[in-house]
Amino acid sequence: AQSVTQLDSQVPVFEEAPVELRCNYSSSVSVYLFWYVQYPNQGLQLLLKYLSGSTLVKGINGFEAEFNKSQTSFHLRKPSVHISDTAEYFCAVSERGAQKLVFGQGTRLTINP
Amino acid sequence: ETGVTQSPTHLIKTRGQQVTLRCSSQSGHNTVSWYQQALGQGPQFIFQYYREEENGRGNFPPRFSGLQFPNYSSELNVNALELDDSALYLCASSLIGGGGETQYFGPGTRLLVL
Repeated sequence: AQSVTQLDSQVPVFEEAPVELRCNYSSSVSVYLFWYVQYPNQGLQLLLKYLSGSTLVKGINGFEAEFNKSQTSFHLRKPSVHISDTAEYFCAVSERGAQKLVFGQGTRLTINP
Repeated sequence: ETGVTQSPTHLIKTRGQQVTLRCSSQSGHNTVSWYQQALGQGPQFIFQYYREEENGRGNFPPRFSGLQFPNYSSELNVNALELDDSALYLCASSLIGGGGETQYFGPGTRLLVL
């Protein structure tokens, strides 16, 4: 069975500072990996995804993530955050051929001015 | 391109009642998945519908049931509501057979059971 661990439940950073949100997964088969963002009282918006190919993937709003198969990680990074990035971020995994997404518990990113 | 829509946005029910939540998939998509997100938690997979049939189910009891219609819209029905059913219910659509690995989510329905 798959599982996802988001190592930090909360991450406070100052505006314009870099940020990394950590995600590790467990699976016995090949997987697809996703990061979603959830703004207050809203649904989930896709930030980026890794399906195959280059291990460095770029997404919306200046975010990027790197797939590391040996460390089973998919950490999300942004070089300079903005107040508008304040939100909950979810890492998710699905097995290839299966449509079910398994989510982590989420990381709350708080940007301080 | 029309995104995923859900109705209603909010709902209050009492324990023991039944509820129906609705979802319209993104245009061009043929699959709908439902997730339950309790407060402070990540979403949990309930089930998925493809070609009007259940195509996978998570660890939820049979009182959670669903339907998919020929236009690919979907309903989630929950019978005999319990207090723990209070959550945000998220619908996601995707395209099986077209590189449909990516699910796109609607805004959710927030259900409160009293």
